[in-house]
Amino acid sequence: AQSVTQLGSHVSVSEGALVLLRCNYSSSVPPYLFWYVQYPNQGLQLLLKYTTGATLVKGINGFEAEFKKSETSFHLTKPSAHMSDAAEYFCAVSRAAGNKLTFGGGTRVLVKP
Amino acid sequence: SQTIHQWPATLVQPVGSPLSLECTVEGTSNPNLYWYRQAAGRGLQLLFYSIGIDQISSEVPQNLSASRPQDRQFILSSKKLLLSDSGFYLCAWTNRETEAFFGQGTRLTVV
Repeated sequence: AQSVTQLGSHVSVSEGALVLLRCNYSSSVPPYLFWYVQYPNQGLQLLLKYTTGATLVKGINGFEAEFKKSETSFHLTKPSAHMSDAAEYFCAVSRAAGNKLTFGGGTRVLVKP
Repeated sequence: SQTIHQWPATLVQPVGSPLSLECTVEGTSNPNLYWYRQAAGRGLQLLFYSIGIDQISSEVPQNLSASRPQDRQFILSSKKLLLSDSGFYLCAWTNRETEAFFGQGTRLTVV
């Protein structure tokens, strides 16, 4: 079975500060890892994904994440927060491309001016 | 390009009434289809997934059912809604080679 843990259900950052969202997973097979963003009353939009290859993955809107197998982590970062980054972020894992996703509980990001 | 349509966007239904939410995908064939529910302040819970017509797997026992009458159509139903069925329902698809793409969701309030 797979599981995902996101540390911190709410994160508050100042505009221009570093955004760091933590994600740890458990998987019995090499995982496929994803970060999605959700704006209020909307569906989920893919930020970035890790399947194979380079462990540092760059996504949209200036976000990136690093797959660390030894730490079973896939933390999401952005060097400088923007007001438009206020949203809820979900980390997810699957066993293979196109397989069902298991999501973490989500982290809601608040950006302060 | 592929698109996913989900409707209605919002729905208020009384307890005990039936439910039908529809999801259709365009621009791809034989997708994997999924229904997720997002309760207030909680993450996403997978309810059903389908790898083909009339092939439905249920992830959790509940008051809901799903059907896939056509290749690119996925329907979530209930005969009698409960208060606990309130939430944000999301349909998604994959084509076995990509990440999941999500619809815009349906906000269901059972009163």
